[in-house]
Amino acid sequence: DAKTTQPNSMESNEEEPVHLPCNHSTISGTDYIHWYRQLPSQGPEYVIHGLTSNVNNRMASLAIAEDRKSSTLILHRATLRDAAVYYCILRPKKSSGDKLTFGTGTRLAVRP
Amino acid sequence: DGGITQSPKYLFRKEGQNVTLSCEQNLNHDAMYWYRQDPGQGLRLIYYSQIVNDFQKGDIAEGYSVSREKKESFPLTVTSAQKNPTAFYLCASSMEGQRNYGYTFGSGTRLTVV
Repeated sequence: DAKTTQPNSMESNEEEPVHLPCNHSTISGTDYIHWYRQLPSQGPEYVIHGLTSNVNNRMASLAIAEDRKSSTLILHRATLRDAAVYYCILRPKKSSGDKLTFGTGTRLAVRP
Repeated sequence: DGGITQSPKYLFRKEGQNVTLSCEQNLNHDAMYWYRQDPGQGLRLIYYSQIVNDFQKGDIAEGYSVSREKKESFPLTVTSAQKNPTAFYLCASSMEGQRNYGYTFGSGTRLTVV
């Protein structure tokens, strides 16, 4: 299965934008890029996903590089409630079985 | 509202005992999953099921068992053969084959062996 690489931790100030990077240089042509976040002592929460084009929803934006080897999750105005671990995951092709493989993610700290 | 319910939230077990964690979903999702999370670590897949009466081993299935007799239920049994069962257990579901949808996770069960 294709792997992703994320920084272990990042910090941001409240009400400032946050750009969370993810490298996935071995991504396959039909793998979707998914982002989840996990607040302390809770299950992960789906944030956003994309295939080739940039995507926006009420929670965040996803910018995907033209070669699809990297992507960036953008939180436009960080709040204290955005402090969480953010996971970048590739949803594999059908032949590999539809199961998500989680890395250790990026722990985002938000300073008031 | 639709969602996934895991119970109990906290569970204590004596060494040598089997224990079963419950996972129920009313999302009409075909696929269900069990993950284990240790402190400071990512999630590791234990078992998954893409359809009723069928399931596959994940990356760390040893010492665990599952059943999928109903679409909405996917209980996980932690057996005495699991050497280090203390962990946070998460259940998830998704629409089978639908890459254009995310996973929905439960709120987890924290198991402690005493």
